[in-house]
Amino acid sequence: RKEVEQDPGPFNVPEGATVAFNCTYSNSASQSFFWYRQDCRKEPKLLMSVYSSGNEDGRFTAQLNRASQYISLLIRDSKLSDSATYLCVVRGGATNKLIFGTGTLLAVQP
Amino acid sequence: EAGVAQSPRYKIIEKRQSVAFWCNPISGHATLYWYQQILGQGPKLLIQFQNNGVVDDSQLPKDRFSAERLKGVDSTLKIQPAKLEDSAVYLCASSGTFYNEQFFGPGTRLTVL
Repeated sequence: RKEVEQDPGPFNVPEGATVAFNCTYSNSASQSFFWYRQDCRKEPKLLMSVYSSGNEDGRFTAQLNRASQYISLLIRDSKLSDSATYLCVVRGGATNKLIFGTGTLLAVQP
Repeated sequence: EAGVAQSPRYKIIEKRQSVAFWCNPISGHATLYWYQQILGQGPKLLIQFQNNGVVDDSQLPKDRFSAERLKGVDSTLKIQPAKLEDSAVYLCASSGTFYNEQFFGPGTRLTVL
């Protein structure tokens, strides 16, 4: 079983749609959780951290369920510029290394 | 503020050849990481340095890959000899400490023929 699992997509949605991505992780001792965004042929960039209480940043909402080892990202009112790969990332282990999922590709259509 | 710099941006070599990549982290960042990202996958950590010491190299194929970070600033990653399956983007990242946000460089896209 992979340490971090995501549906690779692609998710093709129209502008203005709401889309949700899910991710599961296998190590219950994982300490921190993130969503990164990676544009085509670019480097990953931190989108937002994920907290147990849930957190929101504009049109983006992230949620963590530690009991189910499940992380989600909700994007409301999708824009063309949201088209990218969204990477679910978990930090853990003795060296606090980041473990990345394979990413979910989002394509927002006009 | 200048970001993480990497060179070269692209490299094409034949299998069994050697190749080296260079990374200059953000000024003052003590922690430096090398990741391998194969097409269709997320980045995988190869090695993590804290200043000039290795913290984690558990996923570095040490029979062919080596990395160093002399003087705790710039770093080089070398592959010798390269295999077809080494074709990937090699990303360097840096952070102030283990817990701080990691900032990635643009990567080096390696193609092994």
